[in-house]
Amino acid sequence: EAGVTQSPTHLIKTRGQQVTLRCSPISGHTSVYWYQQALGLGLQFLLWYDEGEERNRGNFPPRFSGRQFPNYSSELNVNALELEDSALYLCASSYRGHSYNEQFFGPGTRLTVL
Amino acid sequence: AQTVTQSQPEMSVQEAETVTLSCTYDTSESDYYLFWYKQPPSRQMILVIRQEAYKQQNATENRFSVNFQKAAKSFSLKISDSQLGDAAMYFCAYNAGNNRKLIWGLGTSLAVNP
Repeated sequence: EAGVTQSPTHLIKTRGQQVTLRCSPISGHTSVYWYQQALGLGLQFLLWYDEGEERNRGNFPPRFSGRQFPNYSSELNVNALELEDSALYLCASSYRGHSYNEQFFGPGTRLTVL
Repeated sequence: AQTVTQSQPEMSVQEAETVTLSCTYDTSESDYYLFWYKQPPSRQMILVIRQEAYKQQNATENRFSVNFQKAAKSFSLKISDSQLGDAAMYFCAYNAGNNRKLIWGLGTSLAVNP
């Protein structure tokens, strides 16, 4: 069974630019989560999508947005990049039928903002 | 507010020995789930073990076991017969209710010495 995949692996952008990160969940999983893992700050919850809808959002500015497609894959968009957006962005998926919400993670996208 | 605290930023253990990683959390919920995730240098986040709060029995997965003390809001991870491949960042995480987002500790970096 294929795991969660993310693309690209690495990205280098400059301040003010926009970036799109992509995630494909495990087959059968309808929920996709995005987390930001900045150095020294641990993982911070960004967004949760399920069945194409945004279900929950973390404490991030509106320039962080995303969407989920009918095939349950997801994009995370970050506009007007700032230096502090440099981080590892992790995507996870889960099967909503499980009450314990075990999340399976992808390898992440390393974003560097110069 | 729900929080997760890992008080040990770094730990080390000799190969074949046992090590315990600490985690405490704060919540007013009665029904929730706790997780330990492992993130090796390759950065793929992997679930190590899961505990349902309504279960009194401590979860066990091969060499990994937890000591879940609900009243004390403590959830420690014990790794027995430590192996070189256990070297990684270990994160404690919490999830409750329909929220679905995971709340994370800052992690403990575990080194395994040969």
